[in-house]
Amino acid sequence: AQKITQTQPGMFVQEKEAVTLDCTYDTSDPSYGLFWYKQPSSGEMIFLIYQGSYDQQNATEGRYSLNFQKARKSANLVISASQLGDSAMYFCAISNSGYALNFGKGTSLLVTP
Amino acid sequence: DADVTQTPRNRITKTGKRIMLECSQTKGHDRMYWYRQDPGLGLRLIYYSFDVKDINKGEISDGYSVSRQAQAKFSLSLESAIPNQTALYFCATSDSSGTRNSPLHFGNGTRLTVT
Repeated sequence: AQKITQTQPGMFVQEKEAVTLDCTYDTSDPSYGLFWYKQPSSGEMIFLIYQGSYDQQNATEGRYSLNFQKARKSANLVISASQLGDSAMYFCAISNSGYALNFGKGTSLLVTP
Repeated sequence: DADVTQTPRNRITKTGKRIMLECSQTKGHDRMYWYRQDPGLGLRLIYYSFDVKDINKGEISDGYSVSRQAQAKFSLSLESAIPNQTALYFCATSDSSGTRNSPLHFGNGTRLTVT
């Protein structure tokens, strides 16, 4: 079974600084996808970025990038130039054989002025 | 308008009552999912469906049932609600392109309280 571990329950970062949110995973499937979602205090789940297990390049989407280290089974999210609006819960997820996603427990990020 | 619509947005019910949460989507996706979110536990999969005739149990299906009435509609039922089913429930959809890079698209959630 696929499993996601997010070891940082809470993180702080100052506005305009970069922050890395950790995610490690465990899977026996050779083919899988890794996803990051943002959940602001309003509650909706917002898709941020995707990385495929066979992708050679690290994924980037605007200020978000994914530091994918396959041998270490890690898929850390890097947010550059943090903004106050980045304050939210962040969830890492992995696609399973049924194409549903298994989620980690999340990391709460607070961006301070 | 939301592509994935959940009704109701909030619901308070009593122990032992039957309750249905509804989800409809206009994205044209074949795959639909129900998750529940509890503080500190992330999102856990309850049921998922790849088409109208396909229903699959997820990690925590006990105490729940689902119905896929049409491609666009997927409802979740609690046959006899209990307080530990108090949670935020999400419906989600995904594209059936056959690859694992399809993100889930979530509704806004239903906050259920069982007293």
